[in-house]
Amino acid sequence: DGGITQSPKYLFRKEGQNVTLSCEQNLNHDAMYWYRQDPGQGLRLIYYSQIVNDFQKGDIAEGYSVSREKKESFPLTVTSAQKNPTAFYLCASSITSGSYEQFFGPGTRLTVL
Amino acid sequence: GESVGLHLPTLSVQEGDNSIINCAYSNSASDYFIWYKQESGKGPQFIIDIRSNMDKRQGQRVTVLLNKTVKHLSLQIAATQPGDSAVYFCAERGTDKLIFGTGTRLQVFP
Repeated sequence: DGGITQSPKYLFRKEGQNVTLSCEQNLNHDAMYWYRQDPGQGLRLIYYSQIVNDFQKGDIAEGYSVSREKKESFPLTVTSAQKNPTAFYLCASSITSGSYEQFFGPGTRLTVL
Repeated sequence: GESVGLHLPTLSVQEGDNSIINCAYSNSASDYFIWYKQESGKGPQFIIDIRSNMDKRQGQRVTVLLNKTVKHLSLQIAATQPGDSAVYFCAERGTDKLIFGTGTRLQVFP
């Protein structure tokens, strides 16, 4: 079964702690993306990776970090420097960064207490 | 910078009626547009796409219209059903990423 998975679905953390969100895909896609979604708003791009061992900042990268050591994995770390981390986080992938359709995972809802 | 916007944040329609969701885009050079549907608490799912060399494209109960003259995109859903209730996003293809609009919430009432 091909697809993109995110874990966990719900995540709670205390303020000041770093937390890492998982994203895995078995679609053999080169490009992967992280978005943040706040209530009543659209998708804002945090980071994206066009290929293994390479990634670029999106529109709201401050307070976040990523790595792309394997093609199928693109974990996102929400650091304590992120001032308002409570949100719904979506991971996506596409065949290449210049290709058309992006496939989305089910999302992780992060709540910082 | 580039942006994609939506005219209406919420659209309420009666079951069985047709729905029209609108989207304006700013980059006249965009060559590809896509519509996503996002149900509550889930990731967006692909509905339909259209390339800039087309004016219209039809899928199952959905039609996308592209008016390049006024940089406007619309999604038409025929015979709207309760299962169509969701947030709908349009997106345009940028240099190496998609640019998403804010979204329109479609509410279907009996």
